[in-house]
Amino acid sequence: ETGVTQSPTHLIKTRGQQVTLRCSSQSGHNTVSWYQQALGQGPQFIFQYYREEENGRGNFPPRFSGLQFPNYSSELNVNALELDDSALYLCASSTTGSYGYTFGSGTRLTVV
Amino acid sequence: GIQVEQSPPDLILQEGANSTLRCNFSDSVNNLQWFHQNPWGQLINLFYIPSGTKQNGRLSAMTVATERYSLLYISSSQTTDSGVYFCAGAYGGSQGNLIFGKGTKLSVKP
Repeated sequence: ETGVTQSPTHLIKTRGQQVTLRCSSQSGHNTVSWYQQALGQGPQFIFQYYREEENGRGNFPPRFSGLQFPNYSSELNVNALELDDSALYLCASSTTGSYGYTFGSGTRLTVV
Repeated sequence: GIQVEQSPPDLILQEGANSTLRCNFSDSVNNLQWFHQNPWGQLINLFYIPSGTKQNGRLSAMTVATERYSLLYISSSQTTDSGVYFCAGAYGGSQGNLIFGKGTKLSVKP
């Protein structure tokens, strides 16, 4: 059974650019959630995807968007990057109705 | 929104010592869980514990839902226990929107 894999592991972008982060969910999981974790803070919920549709969103602006594919993998897209977007982005997969989450190791994004 | 407070923010232990980490919620939550974040950033689920007590090896947890707090006990700590411990919960009908505390950073010295 494979876990959650995220790519890339590290990324440096310039303010104003766009970025795409990728997540492959654990086998058998159909729901993917994305979290942003700033340095020294707990993760903050961005949004969740189920059946290729957004199924809940946290307090993040529309320039944070996502996709889920038929194989349940997911992308997080961030447009018009700002310095405050620098953070660890975590992906978690789960099964609807289950409270078990499997997190990936994250993508560390640095915006300069 | 719901506030999650964890204490202490930092904890330094000698190997073999015991510790108690606390998590307070400002309102009722469901789906209460404890996680350990390893040095590589990965969050590992330790317990799903909306109420009652659970034990897994040297770790145990207790949640008193009516008083809106949860405790994580680590006994006979080892250097591999180092990292950041988070509690998190969801509210209302939400399953995926976990609200995390700021964590307790644990350092276990040999």
